[in-house]
Amino acid sequence: QQPVQSPQAVILREGEDAVINCSSSKALYSVHWYRQKHGEAPVFLMILLKGGEQKGHEKISASFNEKKQQSSLYLTASQLSYSGTYFCGTKGPNTNAGKSTFGDGTTLTVKP
Amino acid sequence: EAQVTQNPRYLITVTGKKLTVTCSQNMNHEYMSWYRQDPGLGLRQIYYSMNVEVTDKGDVPEGYKVSRKEKRNFPLILESPSPNQTSLYFCASSLLAGEGVQPQHFGDGTRLSIL
Repeated sequence: QQPVQSPQAVILREGEDAVINCSSSKALYSVHWYRQKHGEAPVFLMILLKGGEQKGHEKISASFNEKKQQSSLYLTASQLSYSGTYFCGTKGPNTNAGKSTFGDGTTLTVKP
Repeated sequence: EAQVTQNPRYLITVTGKKLTVTCSQNMNHEYMSWYRQDPGLGLRQIYYSMNVEVTDKGDVPEGYKVSRKEKRNFPLILESPSPNQTSLYFCASSLLAGEGVQPQHFGDGTRLSIL
């Protein structure tokens, strides 16, 4: 079951904050976040393996709410380099270990 | 340098002409996977492999074949390509751990156009 990302697109000014959500209709075991710049390959940001886990990477952090079956990516004081499309990839507890299901992506545009 | 290498990067071909997209990784990763990316549809998994000689279907396997005879290579084969297989294709690899797939490293992509 493909996770649903929201919003589909967001436009920010430099220094503003953004939140990208990833929701699943089924129980989640883990969530991966990737960023893809235009014309490039997706690049790994972070993985969350436990319910309630939060991780941070510079000014980008994420949370995982197992009960709500969702994860959120937080971008703080956004920079021009944050522009790109963000994907969440999810795995359920009963899914084959190799199955990877990604959301349709959220396009983030940061303007000066 | 640790990398996933795909070839070719671009290919325009005609319906029905068999083609192979190669994928090679130099990180000794057990896991490899193929995805296709179409506008607005994110990444959809075609096939994956947990190790040598172990492959399984993803969400959109129809019209594709794969093989994993060596750990480093995972070619994608289109036996009889059709226009609906025009897409951007990514190969990825990762280590495996108790929790399953670890962060995936992606190749630079192959843009296929089937006329």
